[in-house]
Amino acid sequence: NAGVTQTPKFQVLKTGQSMTLQCAQDMNHEYMSWYRQDPGMGLRLIHYSVGAGITDQGEVPNGYNVSRSTTEDFPLRLLSAAPSQTSVYFCASGSRRSPLHFGNGTRLTVT
Amino acid sequence: SQQGEEDPQALSIQEGENATMNCSYKTSINNLQWYRQNSGRGLVHLILIRSNEREKHSGRLRVTLDTSKKSSSLLITASRAADTASYFCATDDSGGGADGLTFGKGTHLIIQP
Repeated sequence: NAGVTQTPKFQVLKTGQSMTLQCAQDMNHEYMSWYRQDPGMGLRLIHYSVGAGITDQGEVPNGYNVSRSTTEDFPLRLLSAAPSQTSVYFCASGSRRSPLHFGNGTRLTVT
Repeated sequence: SQQGEEDPQALSIQEGENATMNCSYKTSINNLQWYRQNSGRGLVHLILIRSNEREKHSGRLRVTLDTSKKSSSLLITASRAADTASYFCATDDSGGGADGLTFGKGTHLIIQP
């Protein structure tokens, strides 16, 4: 099993550009979520999903969209990148019988 | 808003010594989890303790939970250089992680050889 796979590992965007961070899991987990990690701030929840077709907002959802058309995939879209979105983004999956499994992150820089 | 707050923010000890990290939280929880993050990597789950448990062990890890004080501690015994990492507590309010865990800011642990 690959676990949780995030792509790309690194990305540089200009202000105003859009992009999609990809996340895929092969553990058949019903829960998936996106966090951002900033220095001194810990991890903050952006969006989460409890199953295909169901998504909800976390603590810091502004500027991000998600969709969950399949159990395996949970992409995060940045609609119009801003320097404040410079961060490391982590995708995680889990279930009621399993703790969260994290990907290795995407380092995003917005200039 | 942050639910868990770890203390200390940074800890440096000699290899072989024990390391203790603390976590305080604000609201009722279903369970509390500890995660480790090595530099440049994702978080890895270490141990989960439910609200009706007071102590749990896993290898060199010992976790305690005091719901009356809304606090938890993580003890790593006989530390090794490979234990150098950041450690995060995370609280689960819903009992299944359905609305995501709430993480603290972490304790950065350095094990000196």
